Amino acid sequence: IVMTQSPATLSVSPGERATLSCRASQSVGINLAWYRQRPGQAPRLLIYDASTRVTGIPVRFSGSGSGTDFTLTISGLQSEDLAVYYCQQYYKWPPYTFGQGTKLEIK
Amino acid sequence: EVKLVESGGGLVQPGGSRRLSCVASEFLIRAYWMCWVRQAPGKGLEWVANIKQDGSETYYLDSVKGRFTISRDNAKNTLYLQMSSLRVDDTAVYYCAGGQWGDGDWGQGTLVTVSS
Repeated sequence: IVMTQSPATLSVSPGERATLSCRASQSVGINLAWYRQRPGQAPRLLIYDASTRVTGIPVRFSGSGSGTDFTLTISGLQSEDLAVYYCQQYYKWPPYTFGQGTKLEIK
Repeated sequence: EVKLVESGGGLVQPGGSRRLSCVASEFLIRAYWMCWVRQAPGKGLEWVANIKQDGSETYYLDSVKGRFTISRDNAKNTLYLQMSSLRVDDTAVYYCAGGQWGDGDWGQGTLVTVSS
């Protein structure tokens, strides 16, 4: 399953909302996760099952979608949100496939 | 605090071998599937392999099948990745992570560079 993320780079002002998209080449149900990778750090799981936040992740991070189209929305953007965000499907495996990432820049 | 620490990375020639280790602390790996995920320099994430709690099932990315072997020693709380017939395009930071697909904690990674 090929995962395609858009846009490749997103520039958003502090306090604004960022909307990141992920599309699967075939339905993955809700078996979709989002990760954040800050510069120089390992990825960290943010959301699984398309919309369930991992414990400790702020409510301003929300995921939605099912089937082939998914969205990660980050509200009230903060400087610490500067990162690359990846989606990953775990519906059909191996392999578990990631999108190519969306780089989120803070204006 | 859960900690996963990878080691074993370094420079290796094409065709060579390398074994990566991942030691867990404050976390008993025997209760979980574990996996390896890699990231080529400046590139995205790629799931490599995973292994069931008792080691009875393993799965691999097609491009590493037959060259890489994932294993575990639950008594030592350690995960391994034996890599052989290494190619230039295996150059990456290799992360170990909890879970079948990386849904647990991640280590900080170890860099493997395949170059002559």
